[in-house]
Amino acid sequence: EAGVAQSPRYKIIEKRQSVAFWCNPISGHATLYWYQQILGQGPKLLIQFQNNGVVDDSQLPKDRFSAERLKGVDSTLKIQPAKLEDSAVYLCASSLDGRRAPGYGYTFGSGTRLTVV
Amino acid sequence: EDKVVQSPLSLVVHEGDTVTLNCSYEVTNFRSLLWYKQEKKAPTFLFMLTSSGIEKKSGRLSSILDKKELFSILNITATQTGDSAVYLCAASSGNTGKLIFGQGTTLQVKP
Repeated sequence: EAGVAQSPRYKIIEKRQSVAFWCNPISGHATLYWYQQILGQGPKLLIQFQNNGVVDDSQLPKDRFSAERLKGVDSTLKIQPAKLEDSAVYLCASSLDGRRAPGYGYTFGSGTRLTVV
Repeated sequence: EDKVVQSPLSLVVHEGDTVTLNCSYEVTNFRSLLWYKQEKKAPTFLFMLTSSGIEKKSGRLSSILDKKELFSILNITATQTGDSAVYLCAASSGNTGKLIFGQGTTLQVKP
């Protein structure tokens, strides 16, 4: 079974620039999550999709972050404009059905390491 | 506010030692407790616990959940240098499958 694919692996941008990350979940997984992991901290959920609908985006800084999952498969996360404090690893994860079976089949991608200078 | 707290934050041991990592949680509509190992990349799944008092084992690793006292422990026996990593604890909340993570425990095993 192919895992969760993310790209790019690394990105360095200047503050106020924009950046986009891509995630392709495991085939058949209905639920997709984006997490932000700042160095030395645990991952923090930014947004959760169930198919192509948003389930939870309560911790997404909506003034600068946006995400979409138009066809219920792959997803993009965008930051515009970036700030220094956005430097972090952005992890995508997917699960079979987060609503019916929380935690089951929860698989993370390798992440995108973003450095804002 | 939902929270998960891990202790200790870091730990240095020698090969062959036994370690116990702690995780306490306060999460509304708690569903399950998960442990992950993270080595410079994606967290990899170790255990998922849903029932209190039932130990789960995988080789030298074991874990148990206490839903009354709201905590879990992860034990690693006969530690090896390959066990060096950050160990993350997460609690799933409500019906959405959202995982709330602790800060992680950084374990370093010296030869």
